[in-house]
Amino acid sequence: GQQLNQSPQSMFIQEGEDVSMNCTSSSIFNTWLWYKQDPGEGPVLLIALYKAGELTSNGRLTAQFGITRKDSFLNISASIPSDVGIYFCAGQIMNGNQFYFGTGTSLTVIP
Amino acid sequence: KAGVTQTPRYLIKTRGQQVTLSCSPISGHRSVSWYQQTPGQGLQFLFEYFSETQRNKGNFPGRFSGRQFSNSRSEMNVSTLELGDSALYLCASSPSSGSPLHFGNGTRLTVT
Repeated sequence: GQQLNQSPQSMFIQEGEDVSMNCTSSSIFNTWLWYKQDPGEGPVLLIALYKAGELTSNGRLTAQFGITRKDSFLNISASIPSDVGIYFCAGQIMNGNQFYFGTGTSLTVIP
Repeated sequence: KAGVTQTPRYLIKTRGQQVTLSCSPISGHRSVSWYQQTPGQGLQFLFEYFSETQRNKGNFPGRFSGRQFSNSRSEMNVSTLELGDSALYLCASSPSSGSPLHFGNGTRLTVT
């Protein structure tokens, strides 16, 4: 299957700091999705991206679809304790329906 | 609108047994996908159903099977359970095949 490399694997930050994480693929994707998963729950869709270069925000979250179509980035500004969780990227290849998931970034916010 | 509902939330089974997991998609969603989530392997795609037909299948043995009913509800079956099948099984629905997935809270399966 497709390999999505997500980094960093984990982050420990102070409340109020900004956070950046990214996802790269060896294949060209036509859709990138970002999810957050809290303990004991399923992933929740945060942002969906459909065009190369697209920049989309959802509150304090901003995600970008990389120009090469092989990467995507998620930024969280002014982090708060409820941002704690695991963030996953997911991508869909051209002419495909299946979504492939990254390995996740575990975020810890220290009050 | 109700979200994706998965039942049961927790299951404990013994090696060699079989298990059936259930998923009710968001109303109006016709595509249902199943994923296995483990700490070591992350989210691994099992299969996708759309309009009662399997559209895609991941790289899992034949012991893993599924089906979808005319009301879009889906079931997943695992036969001859192995210890390595212990995982969180997530169901996701979407309006159509290939559109963004909306996940349920999963079924935690423990095989002893």
